[in-house]
Amino acid sequence: GDSVTQMEGPVTLSEEAFLTINCTYTATGYPSLFWYVQYPGEGLQLLLKATKADDKGSNKGFEATYRKETTSFHLEKGSVQVSDSAVYFCALRGYSSASKIIFGSGTRLSIRP
Amino acid sequence: GAVVSQHPSRVICKSGTSVKIECRSLDFQATTMFWYRQFPKQSLMLMATSNEGSKATYEQGVEKDKFLINHASLTLSTLTVTSAHPEDSSFYICSLGPPSWTEAFFGQGTRLTVV
Repeated sequence: GDSVTQMEGPVTLSEEAFLTINCTYTATGYPSLFWYVQYPGEGLQLLLKATKADDKGSNKGFEATYRKETTSFHLEKGSVQVSDSAVYFCALRGYSSASKIIFGSGTRLSIRP
Repeated sequence: GAVVSQHPSRVICKSGTSVKIECRSLDFQATTMFWYRQFPKQSLMLMATSNEGSKATYEQGVEKDKFLINHASLTLSTLTVTSAHPEDSSFYICSLGPPSWTEAFFGQGTRLTVV
């Protein structure tokens, strides 16, 4: 079945550092790919998405490119801020209209001032 | 994007009582709904899927008689944790899908603590 694998955390970085959180997936067909963010004590918020190969999703300085050849959707940000501290979930939704969203295990990110 | 309102955000209940969590779609008709559970420092685990007007489909290992899910209208879904026990303490999150959805819209989540 479909699955998502993302790098384990926690990840701790200094402010203004470069961030990469790796995510790879297994799915049939052409799934849609997402990154969700969960700030402390809050629910999930969609951060960015990509619905077809080579699409780049971007939001709030974060980017991720849908790589069909490597089945990857790595999250990157050039300069992180303390306010980026949160848990990040990579997810996919299959191409079928009945498909469910499948989540990765989440990566906790902490940014030091 | 769509707005999903989940209530309450936090609830503490005594062991053996039942708790109802509401999930409302404020600006679109939600034909598909998902309920997730998240244990501390773990990912979201899908509990059940329901379509408006039909019975929910529960994931393997989820007790349907314990976690009652109702999706009687296109704007409201409820999850009732019956006879709650401390091991049911968790973060519950709903997500709703509009008819042509390509992404999920999540509620704010409910942190349930059973004492």
